[in-house]
Amino acid sequence: EVQLVESGGGLVQPGRSLRLSCVVSGFTFDEYALHWVRQAPGKGLEWVSGISWNSASIGYADSVKGRFIISRDNAKNSLYLQMNSLRADDTALYYCAKDITIFGVSLPDYWGQGTLVTVSS
Amino acid sequence: EIVMTQSPATLSVSPGERATLSCRASQSVSSNLGWYQQKPGQAPRLLIYGASTRATGIPARFSGSGSGTEFTLTISSLQSEDFAVYYCQQYNNWPPITFGQGTRLEIK
Repeated sequence: EVQLVESGGGLVQPGRSLRLSCVVSGFTFDEYALHWVRQAPGKGLEWVSGISWNSASIGYADSVKGRFIISRDNAKNSLYLQMNSLRADDTALYYCAKDITIFGVSLPDYWGQGTLVTVSS
Repeated sequence: EIVMTQSPATLSVSPGERATLSCRASQSVSSNLGWYQQKPGQAPRLLIYGASTRATGIPARFSGSGSGTEFTLTISSLQSEDFAVYYCQQYNNWPPITFGQGTRLEIK
């Protein structure tokens, strides 16, 4: 069974940093791209960042480019999102998601349950 | 950035009837289009990828069609568990991957 479990969310002041983690199981981790997708309270889905199976290809939404850094550790079956210079509009539930395509980057199929990030003074 | 526009914002349909949801891309995304279902308090669930391929375990009453810039998700006979929010997503030329704003399917 594919499982993705996010952690690291919480309340943080504007301008500060936070690091999210996602531990996965149930599939061969180093064969699939991974994504972070967020959802502000009562709003729709927003793709944040993605990383290919071998970390050679990385992408960010314009809204987070230059502030967020995605990374993965294939030895630990873990995905990370380093979030710097946080703003109030980064407040959201952050989902970790597995890509559907082996050795490719396309769209997420399996999702975690999310970790909530609240940016407020 | 490719902008995805879904219509209508809210769709009211009776159980047992057909629902048709639309998604338009600001430029061609070929067939690189997916559909998700999201219920309150739950993570999104992938329904369709490649514009028309059902994901694992998705009932046959869900079908997708279209290519280029115009796409449709059809639910042939609505069940009570189908009332939810539906999102389309393009993945043609990442980054970025972009979602539509969602269509809320409610009981009439």
